[in-house]
Amino acid sequence: EAGVAQSPRYKIIEKRQSVAFWCNPISGHATLYWYQQILGQGPKLLIQFQNNGVVDDSQLPKDRFSAERLKGVDSTLKIQPAKLEDSAVYLCASSLAVGGGTEAFFGQGTRLTVV
Amino acid sequence: DAKTTQPNSMESNEEEPVHLPCNHSTISGTDYIHWYRQLPSQGPEYVIHGLTSNVNNRMASLAIAEDRKSSTLILHRATLRDAAVYYCILRDGGGGFKTIFGAGTRLFVKA
Repeated sequence: EAGVAQSPRYKIIEKRQSVAFWCNPISGHATLYWYQQILGQGPKLLIQFQNNGVVDDSQLPKDRFSAERLKGVDSTLKIQPAKLEDSAVYLCASSLAVGGGTEAFFGQGTRLTVV
Repeated sequence: DAKTTQPNSMESNEEEPVHLPCNHSTISGTDYIHWYRQLPSQGPEYVIHGLTSNVNNRMASLAIAEDRKSSTLILHRATLRDAAVYYCILRDGGGGFKTIFGAGTRLFVKA
C-alpha cells in the first residue's frame, strides 16, 4: 500500500514570497490533515478535510495560509506571503475515516525555510 | 480538547522493556488513546491505540488504567531503532482529529 506522498521535500524561500505544498493521501482515505511542526515541538493541526469539505480550520492563519482539496483527493497548502516564523515542517496525514478509532498515516513532510 | 502529559525524556538499555507513561486526567468517555512515534526527519508513525481495554500489536502493548486517566505504552524489547519521540494523544471517537500533540517523550536507547 502506497503511503502519503508529499512534495517538495525541502523548500527555501525569502520572506514575503509565496509557496505551495502538495499532498496525495492514501487511496480511499476520506480524511486529510495538514500539520505544522516547528523544530522541537509536536505537530499542530492547521486544517482538516473530510472528502473535499473543511471540517476544522480553527488554527489556520487565514490571512496568509490557504488550503484546498479538489475532488476529495489531492490537497495543496499555500502560504502567501511567507514570514520568517513560518519556517517549519509541514506534514500531511490521512485516515480512512474521521472516527477516533482509526489511525492516521503521515507523509514525510516538507521542510520550509524562510530567509 | 483534552490534553496529555508525558515526561520529556526517558532512557532505556537495548533489549530491555520500556514503559512510557501518559496522563490524561480530562479524558472523555468517547476519546480514544493513540500513540505515535516520530523518528528523525520523518513524519509521525502510528504505533497503537485503544479505548478501554489493553491492546497488543506487533509493535507494542498499550495498558490503560481502569479509570482511563492514564496509560502506558510498553515496548517489550527496545532496539536502537526504537529511539524516537513518542506522542500520546487523544482522539475524539465522535470524529475530528483535532488532536493536540504535546512535546512527547524522547526515548534514548543505549546499546
